[in-house]
Amino acid sequence: DGGITQSPKYLFRKEGQNVTLSCEQNLNHDAMYWYRQDPGQGLRLIYYSQIVNDFQKGDIAEGYSVSREKKESFPLTVTSAQKNPTAFYLCASSIILAQGPNTEAFFGQGTRLTVV
Amino acid sequence: DQQVKQNSPSLSVQEGRISILNCDYTNSMFDYFLWYKKYPAEGPTFLISISSIKDKNEDGRFTVFLNKSAKHLSLHIVPSQPGDSAVYFCAASEDGNQGGKLIFGQGTELSVKP
Repeated sequence: DGGITQSPKYLFRKEGQNVTLSCEQNLNHDAMYWYRQDPGQGLRLIYYSQIVNDFQKGDIAEGYSVSREKKESFPLTVTSAQKNPTAFYLCASSIILAQGPNTEAFFGQGTRLTVV
Repeated sequence: DQQVKQNSPSLSVQEGRISILNCDYTNSMFDYFLWYKKYPAEGPTFLISISSIKDKNEDGRFTVFLNKSAKHLSLHIVPSQPGDSAVYFCAASEDGNQGGKLIFGQGTELSVKP
């Protein structure tokens, strides 16, 4: 069945190490997104991609990097430059319409990253 | 500067009564508004949306109202059920044709008591 798969669900890393979070979708959506959620806060956009081999920074891109080599996949790397990497990370996807009815984003189940 | 605000962190309602969740925004360029429901340690699930050209959208027990002059929207749940207990996020977009580039509020935790 169609959906967005994030793996792993829980991830532990030592401070100073880079870590890559996986996101795969089989919804044939053009656009994919990465959000971060901190306790008591809303989701904040890290990066997004509307097409393969192209992506744009969101509101809090510093310390993160992404790639979009395939339509189905949008991995996020949390680098050692990210000052507060411990958070709940959510991947989403949506279709893109040239015009017409608005669309909504579908989210994965999230990855909780803890850096110790 | 927070462009989307949910000023009530929590709301408690009796089963069968109405739940009203509120959201305010500051950016006049927002043209599409969404509500998401979220359980702990899970991804948000889409609930209902409204375009800026409308002032009301209804889907079963859920109704969203938009007041553009006041830059305010609200989600009404009638009747409320214990299964509605979750965190509700209001979100807004400047480009409704690409529904994932969103600005989220902080969320309101709804508790529906039997």
